Amino acid sequence: GEDVEQSLFLSVREGDSSVINCTYTDSSSTYLYWYKQEPGAGLQLLTYIFSNMDMKQDQRLTVLLNKKDKHLSLRIADTQTGDSAIYFCAESQKGFQKLVFGTGTRLLVSP
Amino acid sequence: GAGVSQSPSNKVTEKGKDVELRCDPISGHTALYWYRQSLGQGLEFLIYFQGNSAPDKSGLPSDRFSAERTGGSVSTLTIQRTQQEDSAVYLCASSKGGETQYFGPGTRLLVL
Repeated sequence: GEDVEQSLFLSVREGDSSVINCTYTDSSSTYLYWYKQEPGAGLQLLTYIFSNMDMKQDQRLTVLLNKKDKHLSLRIADTQTGDSAIYFCAESQKGFQKLVFGTGTRLLVSP
Repeated sequence: GAGVSQSPSNKVTEKGKDVELRCDPISGHTALYWYRQSLGQGLEFLIYFQGNSAPDKSGLPSDRFSAERTGGSVSTLTIQRTQQEDSAVYLCASSKGGETQYFGPGTRLLVL
């Protein structure tokens, strides 16, 4: 079955690193994604990783994928107050492009 | 266009009425998706269009929900005889048929 889980809430101080975790159950997933949602807004694609990779870095963002444990994480370096939002991980499956989303993690960055 | 657009941005309707939600995908994107975001259910897939293929309707919650995509571009999601549990944000996304879906701002539907 398909099930993607995330912790609900994370609070950090400005300048610290944030790590948001996600577990998924479908081993056939080909791509895994991180989306950001700010209040009242749609989903903004942050980054994605192909399932045959174990790490991807994009400026302040680092994605780690442990395919054996079906664990995905997003690390945000030097977290800023503007990073406060809800972060969703999502998985897609080969030949079937729908995304299955996690429950979302609300990140709160305090000054 | 520059991004996926949706209209209206907000819709308030009375229980039992029909509503139509519109999505304009990014120009050149062949794939179009509808999702629903609600407090109780999170983000759920509704329907997927790819080119001229038959749409994947597996996520539609009931037969009151339908969607069409005209000319391979604009899509309309129709909810007939709306119920209070239909209140949610309806999100549209498009892609070139590859791995990356780009989302619109959503339509916030409130059924009174």
